[in-house]
Amino acid sequence: QVQLVQSGAEVKKPGASVRLSCKASGYTFTDYYIHWVRRAPGQGLEWMGWISTNTGRTVYAQNFQGRFTMSRDTSMSTVYMELSRLVSDDTALYYCARFDRGDAPWGRGTLVTVSP
Amino acid sequence: QAVVTQEPSLTVSPGGTVTLTCGSNTGAVTSGHYPYWFQQRPGQVPRTLIYDTSNKHSWTPARFSGSLLGGKAALTLAGAQPEDEAEYFCFLSISGVRVFGGGTKLTVL
Repeated sequence: QVQLVQSGAEVKKPGASVRLSCKASGYTFTDYYIHWVRRAPGQGLEWMGWISTNTGRTVYAQNFQGRFTMSRDTSMSTVYMELSRLVSDDTALYYCARFDRGDAPWGRGTLVTVSP
Repeated sequence: QAVVTQEPSLTVSPGGTVTLTCGSNTGAVTSGHYPYWFQQRPGQVPRTLIYDTSNKHSWTPARFSGSLLGGKAALTLAGAQPEDEAEYFCFLSISGVRVFGGGTKLTVL
């Protein structure tokens, strides 16, 4: 079945970077963009950006430009995101997702905790 | 930077009807903003209910519908069920980027 499987929880110190993965299966990887979304405690959903899995083109939300990078490995059907210069406000559940007319799956989320 | 606004909270009686709205500080919301609506129940992963203003997925209950209303995107729930108690987020495409609204916490009571 169509699914997005995300990497496991991370604990990082302020100032560090974190790299998360999102592995797609059950469909042609390069047919759909992948978006990254996060939800911090007590906050709503926040869109971070999307990547074209076909061309590698990326679009980032203004709030994250400069410290957020997305990439993909088509041979592994996997998308990666890296967030640098972490602060406590980056503590959140990070989701990868497809927003489309079809199966529109979401990953189950990766918890990132930023703590001294 | 675009700001997308939603009612912070709404309450609906079981079997009742409620409309959630989604506005933008950039002007009227149109079909060109490709409005989406997501539902997130506590402890669960969000799921898409409506895409491109009014289109439903196969899993979207028939009691949900999307539209444009008075310059905003709207999600109408007709015949509320207890399982509809959740947070609802709208999502717009604005000048090439995407923006979530702050979410509406819907209580069925």
